[in-house]
Amino acid sequence: DADVTQTPRNRITKTGKRIMLECSQTKGHDRMYWYRQDPGLGLRLIYYSFDVKDINKGEISDGYSVSRQAQAKFSLSLESAIPNQTALYFCATSDFGDFGDTQYFGPGTRLTVL
Amino acid sequence: EDQVTQSPEALRLQEGESSSLNCSYTVSGLRGLFWYRQDPGKGPEFLFTLYSAGEEKEKERLKATLTKKESFLHITAPKPEDSATYLCFGRGSQGNLIFGKGTKLSVKP
Repeated sequence: DADVTQTPRNRITKTGKRIMLECSQTKGHDRMYWYRQDPGLGLRLIYYSFDVKDINKGEISDGYSVSRQAQAKFSLSLESAIPNQTALYFCATSDFGDFGDTQYFGPGTRLTVL
Repeated sequence: EDQVTQSPEALRLQEGESSSLNCSYTVSGLRGLFWYRQDPGKGPEFLFTLYSAGEEKEKERLKATLTKKESFLHITAPKPEDSATYLCFGRGSQGNLIFGKGTKLSVKP
């Protein structure tokens, strides 16, 4: 079984709809992240959480919100989806390291907003 | 401003034709340089972390090296299954990750 799972894997929705993307991990890591990936732009950080009670905005958090339901679960919501949120979304986890921690990515959710 | 730049954007090789991918960085207080592989429709897969200039790491046909300004991912005698996008990340002094845009490698049989 995969260590980091994301649901759904693909989603097509309409402008204005509320969407939730879910991420679960079995690695036992405290840190979880949400990224989006757009062609030609690379990965960009949306939100990150270092533990259940610690949630932080990334560089592109506008239009998104998150919920850390448990150590193993981290959800990303788009309250009112817009077409420029069409992208590939990745969840990642990491353990704490003294000098940089390795991130482990899920398989991604391809979101299309019409 | 911290920055990571990967070159070339795309690289086409014949099977067995060795080459290198470049990741140049300007990251103050670098706390790690990461290489990942990403296959189409999948999440990035961890390959290597390098922490200090002069460090080298190897895995099968891949070898990553680090200097004070750049990192190279050397691919020796590549095979078609090495075709993927290779991503380079730098971790800054504040713990933030700075991402390169990737190099798309195609290896033809």
